[in-house]
Amino acid sequence: GAGVSQTPSNKVTEKGKYVELRCDPISGHTALYWYRQSLGQGPEFLIYFQGTGAADDSGLPNDRFFAVRPEGSVSTLKIQRTERGDSAVYLCASSLTGQSSGANVLTFGAGSRLTVL
Amino acid sequence: GENVEQHPSTLSVQEGDSAVIKCTYSDSASNYFPWYKQELGKRPQLIIDIRSNVGEKKDQRIAVTLNKTAKHFSLHITETQPEDSAVYFCAAADPSNAGNMLTFGGGTRLMVKP
Repeated sequence: GAGVSQTPSNKVTEKGKYVELRCDPISGHTALYWYRQSLGQGPEFLIYFQGTGAADDSGLPNDRFFAVRPEGSVSTLKIQRTERGDSAVYLCASSLTGQSSGANVLTFGAGSRLTVL
Repeated sequence: GENVEQHPSTLSVQEGDSAVIKCTYSDSASNYFPWYKQELGKRPQLIIDIRSNVGEKKDQRIAVTLNKTAKHFSLHITETQPEDSAVYFCAAADPSNAGNMLTFGGGTRLMVKP
């Protein structure tokens, strides 16, 4: 597509529930990133995919968070047993290659705002 | 890992004045420094970036300077306009990290008063 698309744009859930957030990157972009942005703060890195594989998941806060990208395009961020502290905007970004020497400009989606009651 | 500090957290200027936002980073191996603008409720958008092989880059009213020795870089906006009002984020990337992922500063809320 023309840009990075994220769905849903807003998600309200109850504590303890399971949520899935979807990211559709720019067509042809092999690198995909998930970030989390809390109110008034900068985006915090969660996980990076190169193709289908999670090349760096060091930012995932705990084992309740998991992400997949089975076909190297669309990615899903999954959060189990949600807690109120998970409330944030979850941003997805993609780039052409993920390589520092190349055109690794990140393009962000509009984000999914998650509210855990 | 990389740590990026950004100052000030809020900045209010009169239309037409200049605005300067400063960032410091901790990892001397970082070599890519983009700046993103985020309007309320919208996605961060890249406005300018600089790589470590240059000290300054300019694009119309926006310029970025980089001092690798001191590990700091700055965003300069001249002739500010009300539409420049937004939150600005600096970031740094260390090429030794998988995927060249960005570490962001905490953001600066810029308000341009007409």
